[in-house]
Amino acid sequence: GAGVSQSPSNKVTEKGKDVELRCDPISGHTALYWYRQSLGQGLEFLIYFQGNSAPDKSGLPSDRFSAERTGGSVSTLTIQRTQQEDSAVYLCASSLDPNYGYTFGSGTRLTVV
Amino acid sequence: DAKTTQPPSMDCAEGRAANLPCNHSTISGNEYVYWYRQIHSQGPQYIIHGLKNNETNEMASLIITEDRKSSTLILPHATLRDTAVYYCIVRPWDSNYQLIWGAGTKLIIKP
Repeated sequence: GAGVSQSPSNKVTEKGKDVELRCDPISGHTALYWYRQSLGQGLEFLIYFQGNSAPDKSGLPSDRFSAERTGGSVSTLTIQRTQQEDSAVYLCASSLDPNYGYTFGSGTRLTVV
Repeated sequence: DAKTTQPPSMDCAEGRAANLPCNHSTISGNEYVYWYRQIHSQGPQYIIHGLKNNETNEMASLIITEDRKSSTLILPHATLRDTAVYYCIVRPWDSNYQLIWGAGTKLIIKP
């Protein structure tokens, strides 16, 4: 597609359950990022994939969070044993050259009840 | 922590120029100034970036002071659709550096 696609757009899950969030980047974009945004806050960096390099996982808040990117395209962010503080909008972005800006998806709103 | 300071909110009349200030007094020589905006319930949108020269594109103009300690994003003819949170971010020119996001400025365009 023309933009970054994220699914689902909304997800409500029970505390303790695992969730998977999906990101389809723009075709050909080698850089892919995951951010999360709590209500009324700025974006918090989670993880960064660049080509075949090892991902930068420095932003992942705990070992319950993991992400993979298969074939250099689609990425999945997995949160295990979800907690209420995980509730946020999870945003994915991709870029051909990060120095020239990223393109963001519309995000997945995760609510843990 | 974000290296920029922005006013939390601003108003602007529709059709007028919106001037959004940003202070980045600790900016380093290799850091660029980036602007993004986030319209309600959408992902952020890249607007413009610059190093030391003024920049203009189809969306906005970026004016950076000579000492590079502050900048202004200018939307020349604001419309209601420009209502959004505007983020000013400084970042080295290096693909491996992330964007560090502050709270931004909530710009409200009034009819």
